[in-house]
Order: sequence, then structure tokens, then C-alpha cells
Amino acid sequence: RKEVEQDPGPFNVPEGATVAFNCTYSNSASQSFFWYRQDCRKEPKLLMSVYSSGNEDGRFTAQLNRASQYISLLIRDSKLSDSATYLCVVDFYGSSNTGKLIFGQGTTLQVKP
Amino acid sequence: DTEVTQTPKHLVMGMTNKKSLKCEQHMGHRAMYWYKQKAKKPPELMFVYSYEKLSINESVPSRFSPECPNSSLLNLHLHALQPEDSALYLCASSQGAVGPPETPLHFGNGTRLTVT
Repeated sequence: RKEVEQDPGPFNVPEGATVAFNCTYSNSASQSFFWYRQDCRKEPKLLMSVYSSGNEDGRFTAQLNRASQYISLLIRDSKLSDSATYLCVVDFYGSSNTGKLIFGQGTTLQVKP
Repeated sequence: DTEVTQTPKHLVMGMTNKKSLKCEQHMGHRAMYWYKQKAKKPPELMFVYSYEKLSINESVPSRFSPECPNSSLLNLHLHALQPEDSALYLCASSQGAVGPPETPLHFGNGTRLTVT
């Protein structure tokens, strides 16, 4: 099982649609979770951190389900400018207990007019 | 605009060349990272420095040599690279030392490297 898994998509949705992405992680000890957005040929940019109680930032809502070891990202009222790759990032601690942030393979979203 | 600055933006080098990638941040962040990203793939961790000390080396070949001269600067020295090393090299920094919990990464624009 990969450390962090995402459905690569692509998700093709019309403007105004609601779309949800899930990301599963393998290490039950993980404590830090983030969603990043990456536009073509650009660097990843932090979209939002994911907190245990869930959190919302405008049209974006992130949820954490520790029991099932997944995080989700919900985008409401999709805009053309939301078209990008969404990367799930989770911390991972190996036997040395030295942490690192691992990226999922990303989910591509294409919002169409 | 990113607060992590990487130079150069583009680099073409031969397999016998020696070059360096540079990264600078002035946010007072204590951890700095090198990631490598191939097309249509996620960033892959290469090195992590925490408080200017190397804390993670993801079994990266010795032709890549990181250096952290001070808390604001991170270099990646390149020597005898192979064409398959062509990729986008991303530098990142984060506020805290390596966790838990981890603090978010702030990325530079990256250096697009081509090895001929």
C-alpha cells in the first residue's frame, strides 16, 4: 500500500458544480495533513491545513477521518480558476522517528464552462 | 509572489558539468527541504535540514550534494548528473523544526534542470 494515495482523475466538472476528493494514508501515527494546489509548471501552493475537527475556507472544506485514515477536500461552486492538480500531503514517521511530508500523486481537476 | 527564492529558474548542464542550485528564505523558518518533481508526478523528498543540520537524506545518489551554509540559505551541488536527473527541483521551507506535528511547506518557484 502506498503511503499516501489519491485518485489521479481527471475530474471534469461544469462551473458551479460541487466536487470532492479523497486521500488515504497508511500510517496511523500521522498527525499533520495538508492540501496543496499545483498549477501546470508551477510550484505547489498551500491550499489549507486539515484539522481534526474539520475546517472551512470559503468554498473549500477539509475533513479528517482518523478511523478510516483518509482526508477529504470539498470544493463548492467550482470556478474555472479552480482547474489545477490537488495534492494531499501527510507526515510520515519511519523507524528513526524522523518525520517527513509525503505527497500523494495528485488529483487533476478540470472545470469547464 | 513566493517568499522562497530559487536561482536559477532554468539550468541546462552537461553530464560532466558541476553546477549549484540556490535557495533563500527570510521568513525565519527552521527547516529547509529539497524536492525533485518529474512531469505529471508528485514532488519527491530528497533532503531535509532542520536547524541547519541534515536530518533526512532519502537515499539520494552522491552526485547530489546538499549544503546549508546558514538558516536562510540552502544549496544543492550537482556533479556528473545523468539525463534522467532532468526535473523540476523545488526548495521549500517550514516554520518549525521537523515535527511532529509538521508545519506547512512554503515552496520556491523551482529550478527546471535539463541534463544533456
